[in-house]
Amino acid sequence: DAGVIQSPRHEVTEMGQEVTLRCKPISGHNSLFWYRQTMMRGLELLIYFNNNVPIDDSGMPEDRFSAKMPNASFSTLKIQPSEPRDSAVYFCASSLREERGEQYFGPGTRLTVT
Amino acid sequence: AQSVSQHNHHVILSEAASLELGCNYSYGGTVNLFWYVQYPGQHLQLLLKYFSGDPLVKGIKGFEAEFIKSKFSFNLRKPSVQWSDTAEYFCAVIPLSSGGSYIPTFGRGTSLIVHP
Repeated sequence: DAGVIQSPRHEVTEMGQEVTLRCKPISGHNSLFWYRQTMMRGLELLIYFNNNVPIDDSGMPEDRFSAKMPNASFSTLKIQPSEPRDSAVYFCASSLREERGEQYFGPGTRLTVT
Repeated sequence: AQSVSQHNHHVILSEAASLELGCNYSYGGTVNLFWYVQYPGQHLQLLLKYFSGDPLVKGIKGFEAEFIKSKFSFNLRKPSVQWSDTAEYFCAVIPLSSGGSYIPTFGRGTSLIVHP
């Protein structure tokens, strides 16, 4: 398996623009997580899905953030409009219930909002 | 809400020194425990995990961790570090509840720098 795939790997955009981050989980995994990592706040859980259904989005910082999982093999995290404070590395991770919480992380998307 | 504390934010060692990174959590029930490693510029990877049984677990690259239930701790150890161990280390805790969801809480991470 290729592991968790994220795109793009790097994104530079101007404040106010819409940003869409993409994630393809490992085939067969039934949970998907979006994280944000910054020096100031560490690793923060934004939202997670179970069997494509959003279960807990309490970590989503503002209404500017939204996430979808239209099917088992694809998820998006959208920021609209983007702001400089959204600059961070965004990780997607997937897991299989039978593995009791072990998570497999993607390579991340480094987002810079100028 | 539960929390995970990694008291050492930055650790600097010379090669061959011994390493111990602390991890404490606040949840009183049964937990699954993990250590992940993030090498510079890379994603998090599993180092080792504990579910039940022998509280001393061994992971990859010579790392081990000991679960001490009475202390709510899961400290990571390595007897002799190498330059290639320079990385960020994250402890993660998953409380086991009747809901059956495996949602981890991560510590803030410990940055380890090993000088050659």
